[in-house]
Amino acid sequence: DGGITQSPKYLFRKEGQNVTLSCEQNLNHDAMYWYRQDPGQGLRLIYYSQIVNDFQKGDIAEGYSVSREKKESFPLTVTSAQKNPTAFYLCASSPGQDQPQHFGDGTRLSIL
Amino acid sequence: AQSVTQPDIHITVSEGASLELRCNYSYGATPYLFWYVQSPGQGLQLLLKYFSGDTLVQGIKGFEAEFKRSQSSFNLRKPSVHWSDAAEYFCAVGFSGYSTLTFGKGTMLLVSP
Repeated sequence: DGGITQSPKYLFRKEGQNVTLSCEQNLNHDAMYWYRQDPGQGLRLIYYSQIVNDFQKGDIAEGYSVSREKKESFPLTVTSAQKNPTAFYLCASSPGQDQPQHFGDGTRLSIL
Repeated sequence: AQSVTQPDIHITVSEGASLELRCNYSYGATPYLFWYVQSPGQGLQLLLKYFSGDTLVQGIKGFEAEFKRSQSSFNLRKPSVHWSDAAEYFCAVGFSGYSTLTFGKGTMLLVSP
């Protein structure tokens, strides 16, 4: 079955450490997205990519980085510059503009 | 800037009663509109979408939504709520030529026996 796989489901970060969240899709979608979800805040866009080797900053990109070397993969790195990284992170993909986004099951990141 | 407002943070409905969740958006162009549902600790599942044409759209799980251009609204409805409908619901809007969606902050639905 086609879908989006996020791993790990739970992740813990120590102070000063970078961590990478994985997102893989086998839907053959061109566009991929990363969102951060905090209670009562809805979904806030971190980064998105419409094509391989290209990506754009969303509303809250500071302290995060991404890469898009393959169509099916869009990993997110939470750097030590992100001072409040505790949140639920959602990855999504879409066939293109103006199309619905399909979501993974999320990764919950916590600080040790 | 685009914005989406879901005025109700929480709603409690008795099982078997009808449901309406409100969604309003700002911006002048014709939008693309979506409703998603999220169970705790899970991703978002698409309930229904509106792109053009008939302003009343049917979705999965017995949900429907009506686009009203004059009110900039896209309210979600269900005639009879089941306990399994308890979840958080998100409205999202996109516009032609834009690659991203704007999400509302969500409405948590609680279903009482």
